[in-house]
Amino acid sequence: KNQVEQSPQSLIILEGKNCTLQCNYTVSPFSNLRWYKQDTGRGPVSLTIMTFSENTKSNGRYTATLDADTKQSSLHITASQLSDSASYICVVSRASAAGNKLTFGGGTRVLVKP
Amino acid sequence: NAGVTQTPKFQVLKTGQSMTLQCAQDMNHEYMSWYRQDPGMGLRLIHYSVGAGITDQGEVPNGYNVSRSTTEDFPLRLLSAAPSQTSVYFCASSTGFSNQPQHFGDGTRLSIL
Repeated sequence: KNQVEQSPQSLIILEGKNCTLQCNYTVSPFSNLRWYKQDTGRGPVSLTIMTFSENTKSNGRYTATLDADTKQSSLHITASQLSDSASYICVVSRASAAGNKLTFGGGTRVLVKP
Repeated sequence: NAGVTQTPKFQVLKTGQSMTLQCAQDMNHEYMSWYRQDPGMGLRLIHYSVGAGITDQGEVPNGYNVSRSTTEDFPLRLLSAAPSQTSVYFCASSTGFSNQPQHFGDGTRLSIL
């Protein structure tokens, strides 16, 4: 079964600190892995997209890693800011005859406190 | 740039009522999708379209209809609302290329009483 599991479900960090979010998947055949940021009351916004051959990708203070062998990804937030408070969603795309199909994780809710 | 626009932002319905959730995009994207987001669960695909005149079912299509008469618009119809359809609904669009991101609207929060 194609699944995407994220951990932790939620975390609280102090402003200026770093944190790492985890994503494990069983989706196959793998096409790419995406991280989205979803602010409260808003739609998800794309942070990174990584293909099989990419093992790290950065977008400002966000750095995503991918280990396609172990089917794991992480999202590292450096020097957190209050605006980083949001849910972070891992999405894995799999190739199919009908086009790419997306499987969404349940998200990790991050709260940054001053 | 407007991107993906969803209306209304909030709606309360009574069981059995019907309504249409509107979605419009101004990026000339071929692919459009409807998702629902429920607490503790990942987004689930309801229906999608790969171009004007072409629609297909997603993971949870029962109780919903869609049509795609233009590239820009992709409305979602609830035929006879049920409390189980209380959710946040997101519309998304993309170019259809596998390594391009989806662009999401800000959602419609729907409550069925």
